[in-house]
Amino acid sequence: DAGVIQSPRHEVTEMGQEVTLRCKPISGHDYLFWYRQTMMRGLELLIYFNNNVPIDDSGMPEDRFSAKMPNASFSTLKIQPSEPRDSAVYFCASGLGTEQYFGPGTRLTVT
Amino acid sequence: KNQVEQSPQSLIILEGKNCTLQCNYTVSPFSNLRWYKQDTGRGPVSLTIMTFSENTKSNGRYTATLDADTKQSSLHITASQLSDSASYICVVSRSWDNNRKLIWGLGTSLAVNP
Repeated sequence: DAGVIQSPRHEVTEMGQEVTLRCKPISGHDYLFWYRQTMMRGLELLIYFNNNVPIDDSGMPEDRFSAKMPNASFSTLKIQPSEPRDSAVYFCASGLGTEQYFGPGTRLTVT
Repeated sequence: KNQVEQSPQSLIILEGKNCTLQCNYTVSPFSNLRWYKQDTGRGPVSLTIMTFSENTKSNGRYTATLDADTKQSSLHITASQLSDSASYICVVSRSWDNNRKLIWGLGTSLAVNP
């Protein structure tokens, strides 16, 4: 298995633009998590899904952030409009049982 | 205040030496504690996971300990290698979160020099 796949790996955009991050989880895993990592705050859970259904989105910072999981093999995290404070590394992780397996991350820079 | 505190923030050791990283947590009710290794530019990878009843667990040259009474954990690395250079993150979960919402420390950045 290729593991969790994220795209793009790097994204540079201007303030106000829409950003869409993509994730393909490991086949057979029933949980999917979106995290954000910054130096100051470390890893923060934004939202997680179970069997494609959003379970907890209490970590989503504000309405500018939205996430979808239309099927078991694909999820998106969208930021609209983006702001410089959204600059961070965004990780997707898929889970089975108690383990979580992380993708390589998307480094987002908003100028 | 962060519910998971790690020390030291960073550490430099020579190849072949041992080191111990510390983690203190206030998360309650406790379910399990994990240590993750994160290489630069990559996602975290799980090293160990311990429940309340386990006080030590090993994964190769990595040995984690847990004292649930004092809410402390340590990660000991034996005979360090250059490839051990990474950030090591202590992570705790609460029993009511069904082990899904993990509470992450800020990590200890370890550099192993030749």
